Order: sequence, then C-alpha cells, then structure tokens
Amino acid sequence: EPEVTQTPSHQVTQMGQEVILRCVPISNHLYFYWYRQILGQKVEFLVSFYNNEISEKSEIFDDQFSVERPDGSNFTLKIRSTKLEDSAMYFCASSANREAGYTFGSGTRLTVV
Amino acid sequence: DQQVKQNSPSLSVQEGRISILNCDYTNSMFDYFLWYKKYPAEGPTFLISISSIKDKNEDGRFTVFLNKSAKHLSLHIVPSQPGDSAVYFCAASFNLADKLIFGTGTRLQVFP
Repeated sequence: EPEVTQTPSHQVTQMGQEVILRCVPISNHLYFYWYRQILGQKVEFLVSFYNNEISEKSEIFDDQFSVERPDGSNFTLKIRSTKLEDSAMYFCASSANREAGYTFGSGTRLTVV
Repeated sequence: DQQVKQNSPSLSVQEGRISILNCDYTNSMFDYFLWYKKYPAEGPTFLISISSIKDKNEDGRFTVFLNKSAKHLSLHIVPSQPGDSAVYFCAASFNLADKLIFGTGTRLQVFP
C-alpha cells in the first residue's frame, strides 16, 4: 500500500538553529499538508500546498516557517530559527481527493533544546 | 476556539462488545467528517469518512453516524478487538481537500 515517508524520524536541534523536515508524499497525490502535535495536545493544521503554492496556512505558520516542493517528489518544511515551543511531532500528509481521506506519514519528532 | 470536540478522553470496552466514540462540532459549515486512529509514535490512519449529505456510512466493523441537527457524530466499532486500542480522532473540513480540524482525541482500550 502506498505510504507517505518522513525523514528523519527524530531530530534534536538547538534553539535558534534551522531545521528541514522532509516528506515524500504518495506519487499521484496533488494536495500536501503539514500538521503538528505538541505532546498531549490535538493535531493542528499548519499549511496546505497545491499546484506549487500555499493554499492555506494557520496562525502557527509564521515567517519562521516555509514549505517547498523542490523536485516534484519531496515536500519539505523548514523552520528558520527554532524555538523551544516548536518541539512537537510534525506530520506530513497528502491527498488525491478528500473522499479517500488524507494519508499521513509516521511523523518527525522535533526536539528543540 | 474548539470547533471540534471529543468530550470523553478515554473509553474502556470489553472485547466483542460495541465501542461508541462521540464527537461534537460547532460550525454548521463543515461538510465533511473523518475518523482517524492513531498509535503512539505513528501518524494518524484514516478509518472512515462521511459527507454532510449522508447520515450513515459503514465500512466493515466501523460505522459513522452523523446528526446534523445536533452537530454530533459518532463512530461505532462492532465487535471491538484488542487491536482497536488506540487514540481516535474525529476531524472536520469545509471544502474539497481543505485543512482538517481535529478533535482532542479519545483513547480507546479494548480488554479481553
């Protein structure tokens, strides 16, 4: 069964450093998303991406965040200057259409120290 | 602003019995609802969805019921199995391939 692949599974970084979280969505999917889940809290929407541009972003997705689909297969989330409160599980998801639901990756646990 | 709420943080059910997980929403403009299952250290796994034009959708052991007037949906799992033990999230969206707004989750434990 096709799956969304995320790397790395765990990233530890120092506060103020830049991190790039990587995702390989399912190949025929057209819609891409990043979500995050702070420990013990609900899954929160960050950004959606379609047709090579951001279609929607949440209040969380400020100027420190950016997304890119550099080569037609990878979908990346960059955090320019990490803060302690960015520590969370980050999930990438992709969708062909909403009737099939979204397929989520297994997540990257980001720990900012 | 909790637009999607799951008021029961946990539920414990005996194997073979029915599990009923509930979800309430506040925004009547939602037109698509989904249930996801999540194990620790894994991403959410899609289970079943329902459009607002329907009131029931069934897939094997899983059935989702939607009551639009009450802004309430529920997921029924029959019969429950130990492998169903996980956190279940309901989610809602407004438009085609729009963002999902998740509830806080209900931890289901199915015991033998």
